[in-house]
Amino acid sequence: DQQVKQNSPSLSVQEGRISILNCDYTNSMFDYFLWYKKYPAEGPTFLISISSIKDKNEDGRFTVFLNKSAKHLSLHIVPSQPGDSAVYFCAASAPNFGNEKLTFGTGTRLTIIP
Amino acid sequence: DADVTQTPRNRITKTGKRIMLECSQTKGHDRMYWYRQDPGLGLRLIYYSFDVKDINKGEISDGYSVSRQAQAKFSLSLESAIPNQTALYFCATSDSFSGGSKNEQFFGPGTRLTVL
Repeated sequence: DQQVKQNSPSLSVQEGRISILNCDYTNSMFDYFLWYKKYPAEGPTFLISISSIKDKNEDGRFTVFLNKSAKHLSLHIVPSQPGDSAVYFCAASAPNFGNEKLTFGTGTRLTIIP
Repeated sequence: DADVTQTPRNRITKTGKRIMLECSQTKGHDRMYWYRQDPGLGLRLIYYSFDVKDINKGEISDGYSVSRQAQAKFSLSLESAIPNQTALYFCATSDSFSGGSKNEQFFGPGTRLTVL
């Protein structure tokens, strides 16, 4: 049972345009969401996060939007740059008295076309 | 120097062999995790440890065991490797006291394991 889903395995975007990566979840107890970025031969690195009390969080070129009623979040990258080419994982956690764990999606491979 | 290191980075072994993957961290974090990544399945949690005396099974612990030798070291063992354990394995750490991004985890570079 995949509680966090990334339905697009891959996405190609022209350099300078907007990249939109999507993530859906089924567990209504999730209250914190994170995006990780992974380059080949490296471990995932934290990119941006959002709490369920917010609907938007922005950090430079990266913005995450959360739609709780639809159980959907998205990551927007504007403008897209060649260095953004990577695999992006969505992750979520539910409250557990300080013992929260992350549930990851399957990842989306983003390719930025120069 | 990397904050989270994993050894070996690559390993090829045969079915039935015992394998140990090691993870060390210099971040001073109390929590450590082992994940495996398979194509199309994302990252799945194998085991996690919230402190030296605390070990917990994740969603796919069968066929694996772990040891938390010290706060900085967390090793994963495959007692008798089988081909469907071929995967990319990641160690991660987090800090329960940081007050920063909730449950932000820091990953090592990964170990590519092939079981023939």
